[in-house]
Amino acid sequence: QVQLVQSGTEVKNPGASVRVSCKASGYTFTTSSFHWVRQAPGHSLEWMGWINPGNGNTKYSQNFQGRVTITRDTSASTVYMELSSLRSEDTALYYCARGRSTTLTTGAGYWGQGTLVTVSS
Amino acid sequence: DIQMTQSPSSLSASVGDRVTITCRASQSVSTYLHWYQQKPGKAPNLLIYTASNLPNGVPSRFSGSGSGTDFTLTISSLQPEDFATYYCQQSHSAPLTFGQGTRLEI
Repeated sequence: QVQLVQSGTEVKNPGASVRVSCKASGYTFTTSSFHWVRQAPGHSLEWMGWINPGNGNTKYSQNFQGRVTITRDTSASTVYMELSSLRSEDTALYYCARGRSTTLTTGAGYWGQGTLVTVSS
Repeated sequence: DIQMTQSPSSLSASVGDRVTITCRASQSVSTYLHWYQQKPGKAPNLLIYTASNLPNGVPSRFSGSGSGTDFTLTISSLQPEDFATYYCQQSHSAPLTFGQGTRLEI
């Protein structure tokens, strides 16, 4: 069965970077895209970016002003999301989610368990 | 960015009720519109993709319709497990955007 397992809770100082991983299993890694979505406490969902693991193509939300980078390691069936120049407003639960195909336009049918990132001095 | 506006923001209903949630896009998204259900402390779950399609395993009491800018999610007969928050999302144009959510309460 499809599983997405994310790395654990992170606590970071303002200005630091964080890298969250998402390991996929139960299917062929390169046949579906990945999205990263975050959710601040009590807020709606916010899309951060997307990667096609087959060719490495990415697309990012400009709302993060170039602070987000998504990569993949096909040998490890893992995608990574790095967010730099952290500020308190980045405190949120970060999710990876698998798209229903390799394109950007399909919904996300499988989600990781979420990774809590807390930014505090 | 395409703005997604859901209504209502919250809704009280009873088991067995028929419920409709609407989602309006600030510009046309064709049928690149998806619906998610989220329960407290859990990741979202895909309910409807591309406006009207049910993923495997989603009960048939859920249905979606619409195209362009106006969409609806309907639950034909509420079950106790349906009390949750519902989000619409457009994937027509990056950045993909979500609605603010509709909290469905007893």
